[in-house]
Amino acid sequence: EVQLVESGGGLVQPGGSLRLSCAASGFTSSDHHMDWVRQAPGKGLEWVGRTRDKVNSYTTEYAASVKGRFTISRDDSKNSLYLQMNSLKTEDTAVYYCVMVPLLWGQGTLVTVSS
Amino acid sequence: QSVLTQPPSASGTPGQRVTISCSGSSSNIGSNYVHWYQQLPGTAPKLLIYRNHQRPSGVPDRFSGSKSGTSASLAISGLRSEDEADYYCAVWDDTLSGVFGGGTKLTVL
Repeated sequence: EVQLVESGGGLVQPGGSLRLSCAASGFTSSDHHMDWVRQAPGKGLEWVGRTRDKVNSYTTEYAASVKGRFTISRDDSKNSLYLQMNSLKTEDTAVYYCVMVPLLWGQGTLVTVSS
Repeated sequence: QSVLTQPPSASGTPGQRVTISCSGSSSNIGSNYVHWYQQLPGTAPKLLIYRNHQRPSGVPDRFSGSKSGTSASLAISGLRSEDEADYYCAVWDDTLSGVFGGGTKLTVL
């Protein structure tokens, strides 16, 4: 079955760090652009960042709101990608989805930044 | 403020046809494919239409998409109660980023 499964969400204090994981199955993630998208409670979708496919050397792009704080990486041996989130702010509270652009979304993992 | 503009709400009665619009610019819709996602309450977005008008396997032909210039639209015919959901248009720019509409909440009266 083709799917994406995120994990690693939870409650973290402002200024803290968290690392999200996204495990791909049923396809080779390195062949695809993979994005992170988030959705704050009751709000719409917000693009967070991208890691391009292997052909494009896994180059990354980030939204202005997270640039310098968030880092996307991959581990091809685990068919997975990661979102390292540092210096977290309360406004980063959201469900985080990984996306095989544009076809497939994971179920999401909730990140709550609160003291 | 979303990059792509959608009406915040839409409604219809069972059996009716409803259209949801998505407006952008030459740098997003005008030069890229438009995709549509359906988000049922409490669930992740699901691909409904890709590359302007293509339907993934399993999506009923009641759902259709179109694009003209810097605008796109999603049409739902034969409206059903299970179509009540949030609908998002999206453009995934191959060189830079993804942009979304603000979402349209569809109510089946």
